[in-house]
Amino acid sequence: SQTIHQWPATLVQPVGSPLSLECTVEGTSNPNLYWYRQAAGRGLQLLFYSVGIGQISSEVPQNLSASRPQDRQFILSSKKLLLSDSGFYLCAWSVRGGAFFGQGTRLTVV
Amino acid sequence: AQTVTQSQPEMSVQEAETVTLSCTYDTSESDYYLFWYKQPPSRQMILVIRQEAYKQQNATENRFSVNFQKAAKSFSLKISDSQLGDAAMYFCSIGGTSYGKLTFGQGTILTVHP
Repeated sequence: SQTIHQWPATLVQPVGSPLSLECTVEGTSNPNLYWYRQAAGRGLQLLFYSVGIGQISSEVPQNLSASRPQDRQFILSSKKLLLSDSGFYLCAWSVRGGAFFGQGTRLTVV
Repeated sequence: AQTVTQSQPEMSVQEAETVTLSCTYDTSESDYYLFWYKQPPSRQMILVIRQEAYKQQNATENRFSVNFQKAAKSFSLKISDSQLGDAAMYFCSIGGTSYGKLTFGQGTILTVHP
């Protein structure tokens, strides 16, 4: 069966520091991969998605970037964090329709 | 563009009773999927039920069922025999068939009273 791993679970970072969140998927090949952000415990916003290695589409202009160096690995990065980057970040994968989520990373920028 | 509206920020139900969560949506796509996700306090997003738009029959998963009204663009979730473990935030969402990108509603907080 397919599983998705996301880490770390919790992260506290100072303003201006870099960020790297990692997500890996097991049990499937060539998945579509996604990064979502959830602010203030409400709706999810799609940040990036990828349909293959090196292919990244950005949905919302922002201080973040994403990369997909391997088929089942998706990374969310920032060179310099802003206070507004705080939130709950979720990685997800899908094959056709729907999405299955990792456990999320709670990021607090201080 | 796709939009999803959940008009009930909060709902409550007594244990063992039935509750219905509302959702309306808009899309220009002819082929799409609709979903209900559950987010408990752990914040893990859990897929509860899925409906393919071309299927007229409403999806059911044990105590969870949907009422899909395609013409009205309505997709409600019914939870029967509510249990304490059903307490969570519930999100309605819509996705296309191309890349599976999802658009989410703002969520409904469900409280289950013993």
